Amino acid sequence: LAKTTQPISMDSYEGQEVNITCSHNNIATNDYITWYQQFPSQGPRFIIQGYKTKVTNEVASLFIPADRKSSTLSLPRVSLSDTAVYYCLVGDSSYKLIFGSGTRLLVRP
Amino acid sequence: DVKVTQSSRYLVKRTGEKVFLECVQDMDHENMFWYRQDPGLGLRLIYFSYDVKMKEKGDIPEGYSVSREKKERFSLILESASTNQTSMYLCASSSPPNPNTGELFFGEGSRLTVL
Repeated sequence: LAKTTQPISMDSYEGQEVNITCSHNNIATNDYITWYQQFPSQGPRFIIQGYKTKVTNEVASLFIPADRKSSTLSLPRVSLSDTAVYYCLVGDSSYKLIFGSGTRLLVRP
Repeated sequence: DVKVTQSSRYLVKRTGEKVFLECVQDMDHENMFWYRQDPGLGLRLIYFSYDVKMKEKGDIPEGYSVSREKKERFSLILESASTNQTSMYLCASSSPPNPNTGELFFGEGSRLTVL
């Protein structure tokens, strides 16, 4: 399974766009890229998933370059409630998903 | 609204006790998972199940067992709790046969303290 590397923490201010990049150099052909969000004392929550190019939903966008060795989660105009830990996962048909330590995003007023 | 419910949010047990953590999902999902989460270590998979009475070891199964007698229920069992099992335990479920192309739904977690 491909390992992922993402920043330990990031700071931002309300109203800014936040981009969190995840590196996955060993991504396999069948792997999908998925991002989760976790608030304190809660389970992670699915944000977005993609295979290549760009995916957008009501919450975020996911940018995946052609080589798929990295991906960027983009959160438009963050608010204080977006303060959370964000996990990048990469996996194929295995049931064994690997959650790393994630990126701790702090949004300041 | 989809829901994964964990029976206890907080538990305090003593070393050597047998501990049951229960998880119920109301989405008719085939797959269910138990993770533990510790500071700095992210979520680590303990066991998963892809069908009733089926179970597979995850990355850290030692000291744990599981039971899935009904599709909606997945139980994590600590046969003899130890202090190093103090952790947050998270249950999740998913629907497609390949969970990497689908969404994992998590419960709110059970924080276990073993004294």
